[in-house]
Amino acid sequence: EAQVTQNPRYLITVTGKKLTVTCSQNMNHEYMSWYRQDPGLGLRQIYYSMNVEVTDKGDVPEGYKVSRKEKRNFPLILESPSPNQTSLYFCASRETGRETQYFGPGTRLLVL
Amino acid sequence: SQQGEEDPQALSIQEGENATMNCSYKTSINNLQWYRQNSGRGLVHLILIRSNEREKHSGRLRVTLDTSKKSSSLLITASRAADTASYFCATDRGQKLVFGQGTRLTINP
Repeated sequence: EAQVTQNPRYLITVTGKKLTVTCSQNMNHEYMSWYRQDPGLGLRQIYYSMNVEVTDKGDVPEGYKVSRKEKRNFPLILESPSPNQTSLYFCASRETGRETQYFGPGTRLLVL
Repeated sequence: SQQGEEDPQALSIQEGENATMNCSYKTSINNLQWYRQNSGRGLVHLILIRSNEREKHSGRLRVTLDTSKKSSSLLITASRAADTASYFCATDRGQKLVFGQGTRLTINP
């Protein structure tokens, strides 16, 4: 089944404790992206990647890092999480030249 | 800033009725997409309409686009309880989708 998976789905952590949210897609898509969803602010893009080793900032990249060492994986790294990073995070992918994005199930993060 | 603005923010109707949601956007577009999000879950692509199209159908969904008014509407006919979800319009801005705030649709049995 074609899908985007994220892990973990739920995470409670404390300020300053580094964490990684994994994202993997099995559709051989070149493009991958991370969004965060917050009440009243909607979905905002954090980072995106056009292909392996090619990443770029979205609208709200501060406090986040990403890497794209393999085509299928695009982990989101929070080196020193803060409470304002409490949010619902979505990974997405799409085929180059196509507009439709496929979203993962989301990771709900709470930073205390 | 968000590109799209959905209207209404929330809509509650009886099962079997039609639901109409509207989306307005600010800049010129190549296409506009609609996504559905069930509570707290991932977004699912519903339909895409290109800027040179005025109307598109997919099953019980009908999407219209008026580029002169920078607006789109999503019509769900013969609604079902399973249609209860949030619906978002999204436009392509370079390498990202810009989403509206969404319409929360509730279908009452």
